[in-house]
Amino acid sequence: AQSVTQLGSHVSVSEGALVLLRCNYSSSVPPYLFWYVQYPNQGLQLLLKYTTGATLVKGINGFEAEFKKSETSFHLTKPSAHMSDAAEYFCAVSLASGGSYIPTFGRGTSLIVHP
Amino acid sequence: DAMVIQNPRYQVTQFGKPVTLSCSQTLNHNVMYWYQQKSSQAPKLLFHYYDKDFNNEADTPDNFQSRRPNTSFCFLDIRSPGLGDAAMYLCATSRDPGPETQYFGPGTRLLVL
Repeated sequence: AQSVTQLGSHVSVSEGALVLLRCNYSSSVPPYLFWYVQYPNQGLQLLLKYTTGATLVKGINGFEAEFKKSETSFHLTKPSAHMSDAAEYFCAVSLASGGSYIPTFGRGTSLIVHP
Repeated sequence: DAMVIQNPRYQVTQFGKPVTLSCSQTLNHNVMYWYQQKSSQAPKLLFHYYDKDFNNEADTPDNFQSRRPNTSFCFLDIRSPGLGDAAMYLCATSRDPGPETQYFGPGTRLLVL
């Protein structure tokens, strides 16, 4: 079975500071990994994903994440937070199941950005 | 713009009164998903369709049903809503059942009185 753990239900940073949102997964096979962002009253939107190849993945809005197999992690970072980054962030892992790849989502981390 | 549309955005129903939520997509994607999302929790997959093939998650209550009459539309029927069914319901699509990007609608927030 696959699972996703997001450490910290809330992360608070100052505008301009580094953003680090943590995600660890459990999987016996190489996973496909995703980060989604959810703004208030909106659906989830893909930030970035890792399938194969380069382990450092760049996404939209200046975010990036690095797949570290030895640490079973896929942490999301952004060098400098902006007020508009305030949102809920979900990490997801996708594994094959009966011919389909069904994602399992973490519980989400709420990013709070202070002026 | 191609998108995933959910109607209504807010739905109020009474305890035990059947309710239907709708989702439509202009992406022409083969797979459609329904998720239930409660406050401060991960989206929980209820079921998904790959074309006309229906796939029910093992722990989805029988109270929840779904229909996909064509590629563009998918419906979530809750036969007898309970107070515990109050949640945000998210519809999503993907091109194929591989490890594809999912495209989400804005969700329907269901309130059960």
